[in-house]
Amino acid sequence: QVQLQQSGPGLVKPSQTLSLTCAISGDSVSSDSATWNWIRQSPSRGLEWLGRTYYRSKWYNDYADSVKSRITINPDTSKKQFSLQLNSVTPEDTAMYYCARSGHSYGYWAFDIWGQGTMVTVSS
Amino acid sequence: QSALTQPPSASGSPGQSVTISCTGTSSDIGYYNHVSWYQQYPGKVAKLMIFEVSKRPSGVPDRFSGSKSGNTASLTVSGLQAEDEADYFCSSYAGTNNYVVFGGGTKLTVL
Repeated sequence: QVQLQQSGPGLVKPSQTLSLTCAISGDSVSSDSATWNWIRQSPSRGLEWLGRTYYRSKWYNDYADSVKSRITINPDTSKKQFSLQLNSVTPEDTAMYYCARSGHSYGYWAFDIWGQGTMVTVSS
Repeated sequence: QSALTQPPSASGSPGQSVTISCTGTSSDIGYYNHVSWYQQYPGKVAKLMIFEVSKRPSGVPDRFSGSKSGNTASLTVSGLQAEDEADYFCSSYAGTNNYVVFGGGTKLTVL
């Protein structure tokens, strides 16, 4: 059974970096038929896909235009996890953050496994 | 403001059918067959109910069905049950600029 377990701080100061980690059990971040995504949800912005990392003979990343200049998603094969870094955060980045898997049987744009979510508040 | 438009609420009595719409544009729903639907209970993680417009993951009851016409996708829940009361939101692939866009969600109430 595939599970995603998120970790990271729930409070980040404005202008600092938001960092979250998603540990994978039951699958591999290096799988050649999955992608590993970060998605956030807030009352003001709804659900927003942030980006993904995936391996197809080499590593690839795709990012949403809205955060492209501030985001980094990195795989960590030794720790079986992937991470999100979002720089220069503002209160607008306050949201519930989810990691999620896509691929395998359901195509690359359907998210079949989700992490438990991390509520991140940006405040001084 | 969400890229895809859903009605904020929908309702039906047990045993009835309810259809939830999700309207996008010719750049997302109208162009790609990568529409998904998710069910989310309050405080819980989303569950994939439909992918690629009309396909059901294993374990999802066949009471849930999806379709698409033009720029609008729809989720139909037949034979409504109390346990179907939840939030439902849609998503669509939108090309290599926006990648994935979501709807604002619809709260389904079983009367």
